[in-house]
Amino acid sequence: ETGVTQTPRHLVMGMTNKKSLKCEQHLGHNAMYWYKQSAKKPLELMFVYNFKEQTENNSVPSRFSPECPNSSHLFLHLHTLQPEDSALYLCASSKGRQETQYFGPGTRLLVL
Amino acid sequence: SQQGEEDPQALSIQEGENATMNCSYKTSINNLQWYRQNSGRGLVHLILIRSNEREKHSGRLRVTLDTSKKSSSLLITASRAADTASYFCATDPPDQGGKLIFGQGTELSVKP
Repeated sequence: ETGVTQTPRHLVMGMTNKKSLKCEQHLGHNAMYWYKQSAKKPLELMFVYNFKEQTENNSVPSRFSPECPNSSHLFLHLHTLQPEDSALYLCASSKGRQETQYFGPGTRLLVL
Repeated sequence: SQQGEEDPQALSIQEGENATMNCSYKTSINNLQWYRQNSGRGLVHLILIRSNEREKHSGRLRVTLDTSKKSSSLLITASRAADTASYFCATDPPDQGGKLIFGQGTELSVKP
């Protein structure tokens, strides 16, 4: 256990659905991240939050909408996704921006 | 080619043998990190080596860093079947605010 939890672990959704992924860290970290991991591709950083403020948006389509209500929780709201958005979505946290990142187990997303 | 490329892409060895994985990168870095990922799971941080360090050990892991060649290697000694996983290097370039750049990984298979 890394101290970072993600729910749900698996999600199947249609292209017209709206769903949310949740990440929670119990490490007292200040920075939280969303990554996308597609088959045969390197991890892609999507969003970064530092002290609840979004500090990076890596040209992510607007159908992905992050929310960070406090330093311990991070959400990724999904709507009108495409089949190519099917991937493993990983959340991570770190004490500071240049510190070791600790990853959650991921949410395996399938968009039909 | 992209920052943080692992070599080989896949490696299959017998239990007890040593496994060596290499990572090459293109820009200067603050540090380089190695992560491990079991199939479909989150990443587990293994070791961080800073740009002014040349070698680091952690249990059966040995990491080297050669900044002149922009390369790093991860050595796992006396491998076990439980070491079977994908291994990723991630670089932290100084002008990226702590953003990690991951490679595509090396898939290690350790046969009992």
